[in-house]
Amino acid sequence: GNSVTQMEGPVTLSEEAFLTINCTYTATGYPSLFWYVQYPGEGLQLLLKATKADDKGSNKGFEATYRKETTSFHLEKGSVQVSDSAVYFCALSKIYNQGGKLIFGQGTELSVKP
Amino acid sequence: DVKVTQSSRYLVKRTGEKVFLECVQDMDHENMFWYRQDPGLGLRLIYFSYDVKMKEKGDIPEGYSVSREKKERFSLILESASTNQTSMYLCASSFEGSRVTAKNIQYFGAGTRLSVL
Repeated sequence: GNSVTQMEGPVTLSEEAFLTINCTYTATGYPSLFWYVQYPGEGLQLLLKATKADDKGSNKGFEATYRKETTSFHLEKGSVQVSDSAVYFCALSKIYNQGGKLIFGQGTELSVKP
Repeated sequence: DVKVTQSSRYLVKRTGEKVFLECVQDMDHENMFWYRQDPGLGLRLIYFSYDVKMKEKGDIPEGYSVSREKKERFSLILESASTNQTSMYLCASSFEGSRVTAKNIQYFGAGTRLSVL
């Protein structure tokens, strides 16, 4: 079946450090891939997405590239800020999928210290 | 902006009580979802609705039911609350249209943290 695996957290970084959160997936066919972010006390919101192999999604300084050969969609940011502290979820969806159901990873908590 | 509103941020209920969690969206979305969020388990889909009065079981429907009488409102019902249903509950909605990427973007409410004592 389809599944998403993320690196375990929590991840603690100093401000301006480089961030990588690993995400790998298992899916039949060609899914779309997403990163959602959950700030403290809030619901999830879409951070970025990619719909086909080699696509790069980007937003707010975050990037992730859809790598079909390694079935990965790792999240990166060159210089994190305290305000990036949140829980990050990787997710996938089949393209022809009524209702747009998503399968989420377990989430990775990021804490950025000043 | 899309707004998904959950009626309560925090709820405390007793074992055996019937519990209603309400969710309203204001973007005329066809699809609505209920998830529960537990540490280390991510988000797990409880129920999904793709139209008024239509519902589909998710991965963990046991102990829950849902109601969708109006397009904008999706209710999660715990028929007889138990302590193992203590969790964060998240509602989401999405658009069902011809644009593949648009329909896969879900919009979430802020969540209801339910404690069952």
